[in-house]
Amino acid sequence: SQTIHQWPATLVQPVGSPLSLECTVEGTSNPNLYWYRQAAGRGLQLLFYSVGIGQISSEVPQNLSASRPQDRQFILSSKKLLLSDSGFYLCAWSVGSSSNQPQHFGDGTRLSIL
Amino acid sequence: EDQVTQSPEALRLQEGESSSLNCSYTVSGLRGLFWYRQDPGKGPEFLFTLYSAGEEKEKERLKATLTKKESFLHITAPKPEDSATYLCAVQAGYKLSFGAGTTVTVRA
Repeated sequence: SQTIHQWPATLVQPVGSPLSLECTVEGTSNPNLYWYRQAAGRGLQLLFYSVGIGQISSEVPQNLSASRPQDRQFILSSKKLLLSDSGFYLCAWSVGSSSNQPQHFGDGTRLSIL
Repeated sequence: EDQVTQSPEALRLQEGESSSLNCSYTVSGLRGLFWYRQDPGKGPEFLFTLYSAGEEKEKERLKATLTKKESFLHITAPKPEDSATYLCAVQAGYKLSFGAGTTVTVRA
């Protein structure tokens, strides 16, 4: 069966510091991968998605970036965090052969910026 | 732009008291409508996919239905373990657009 791992579960960072969040998927090949952010009381917002190694599409302009160095690894980064980057970050995967398959989520990273 | 509106924002039920959640949407080229359950501090857990108007899916006490403009999630005889936030999302292309969710609390 397929599993998705995100780490760390919680993170407290000062304003202006760098960020690296990692997500890995097991039990499937060539998945579509996604990064979402969830603000309190609001719906999930898609940040980036990837349909293959090195292929990244950005949905929202911001100071975040994403990379996919390996087939089942997805990384969310920032060079300098802003207060507005606080939130709950979720990674998800779906079957790569189709765009209308359900997305499956990890348990997220709670990011607090001080 | 795709829009998803869920109502009510919060729902408090007595154990055994059936109710329905609403998800209204506007999307160009619907590829699917998805329902998720989210527990506090966790990622959303996939429940159902609906692809066309008239389709229905069931899982235990939950039943999802779809029309051309909205979807309903019916909770029959809920139990306290059904307490969670239920999220609706529509897909156009690779992008899922989510509603803000309905938080359901079931009291014993």
